[in-house]
Amino acid sequence: KQEVTQIPAALSVPEGENLVLNCSFTDSAIYNLQWFRQDPGKGLTSLLLIQSSQREQTSGRLNASLDKSSGRSTLYIAASQPGDSATYLCAVVLNSGYALNFGKGTSLLVTP
Amino acid sequence: EAQVTQNPRYLITVTGKKLTVTCSQNMNHEYMSWYRQDPGLGLRQIYYSMNVEVTDKGDVPEGYKVSRKEKRNFPLILESPSPNQTSLYFCASNFGGPGANVLTFGAGSRLTVL
Repeated sequence: KQEVTQIPAALSVPEGENLVLNCSFTDSAIYNLQWFRQDPGKGLTSLLLIQSSQREQTSGRLNASLDKSSGRSTLYIAASQPGDSATYLCAVVLNSGYALNFGKGTSLLVTP
Repeated sequence: EAQVTQNPRYLITVTGKKLTVTCSQNMNHEYMSWYRQDPGLGLRQIYYSMNVEVTDKGDVPEGYKVSRKEKRNFPLILESPSPNQTSLYFCASNFGGPGANVLTFGAGSRLTVL
């Protein structure tokens, strides 16, 4: 069964720092890998989707990379802001294509 | 506004009292899915549907039922709720399933079973 692990579980950084969130998965036969943001009391918001054939995706201050062979992805957040405080979830879609397998998330706090 | 709407957002009920959590989307999506989120366990898929009258089990379907009679609606039914079904539930939808596109998630339904 696909296991998705996110490290660290929690992270606190001062505003303005660049930071990296890590995600690893055990089965390299994936369709894609997705990063989400979850705010308290709200649903999940999709941030980036990387297809299995791609190496990275960028959106604004966010950059996600994918190394399928080693089972790793990173989410890079540049110049962090207090508004970036949230839980970040990584999920992979296996080749069946019907479900997201989620990691347990990294809780990020950006302090002013 | 394109959205996935879940109701109720919050519910406290008692063991054995049947309940339905509704999910509706206005984007004409074929694919819809239910997840539950629990501390320490993360998000796990309960059921999904690729189109009207087509449903299948996810990782944790026990104790739940679903139906897909209309494209826009995908209700989650708890016939006899138990305390271990206390959780935060999310509905999601898209065109073609998560292998094809990003999912749009509802805001969540927090269920407590006493």
